[in-house]
Amino acid sequence: EDKVVQSPLSLVVHEGDTVTLNCSYEVTNFRSLLWYKQEKKAPTFLFMLTSSGIEKKSGRLSSILDKKELFSILNITATQTGDSAIYLCAVAPTNAGKSTFGDGTTLTVKP
Amino acid sequence: DAEITQSPRHKITETGRQVTLACHQTWNHNNMFWYRQDLGHGLRLIHYSYGVQDTNKGEVSDGYSVSRSNTEDLPLTLESAASSQTSVYFCASSDKGLPNTEAFFGQGTRLTVV
Repeated sequence: EDKVVQSPLSLVVHEGDTVTLNCSYEVTNFRSLLWYKQEKKAPTFLFMLTSSGIEKKSGRLSSILDKKELFSILNITATQTGDSAIYLCAVAPTNAGKSTFGDGTTLTVKP
Repeated sequence: DAEITQSPRHKITETGRQVTLACHQTWNHNNMFWYRQDLGHGLRLIHYSYGVQDTNKGEVSDGYSVSRSNTEDLPLTLESAASSQTSVYFCASSDKGLPNTEAFFGQGTRLTVV
């Protein structure tokens, strides 16, 4: 059975802090790992990772995948209150659209 | 612009009633999915479809059904609503043919069963 585990489940930081969110997985026929940010509305896509060791970066957010150790991290530097959200990790298998999601990490950034 | 829309955005219904949640996408995607999101569980897959006339059960399919008569729509039906089905429901779509498996999500439907 495919499994995706995110940690921590929740995190409270202050503006300016750097955070690291973790996602470990056990899936058959791995194709890609995706990170989403969910605020009050529907999740919005952040990154898709398919290759180990290649960092994806967008502004203050970055992510990297380790296919040997089966995990990914999402880093957010210089956090802002607008970063408060649930961050979801999902793993997609080959030749199919059905992804397995983790339970998410709830990030709260205090002013 | 292509989009994926869900309706209604909010619904209150009584236990035992049949309820249908609509999902319409204009991406021309083959794959469509229904998830429910509950505190402490994250997203859980209810049903999914890889194309017209194709439907498959997900993790939590009991009490739900879907039909795919065209590419654009995947309505989700609760046959006899139960209080345990109070949740936020998300519809998503993705294109099977591309290497990018990014899924596009609707805005969600908040369903309350009383």
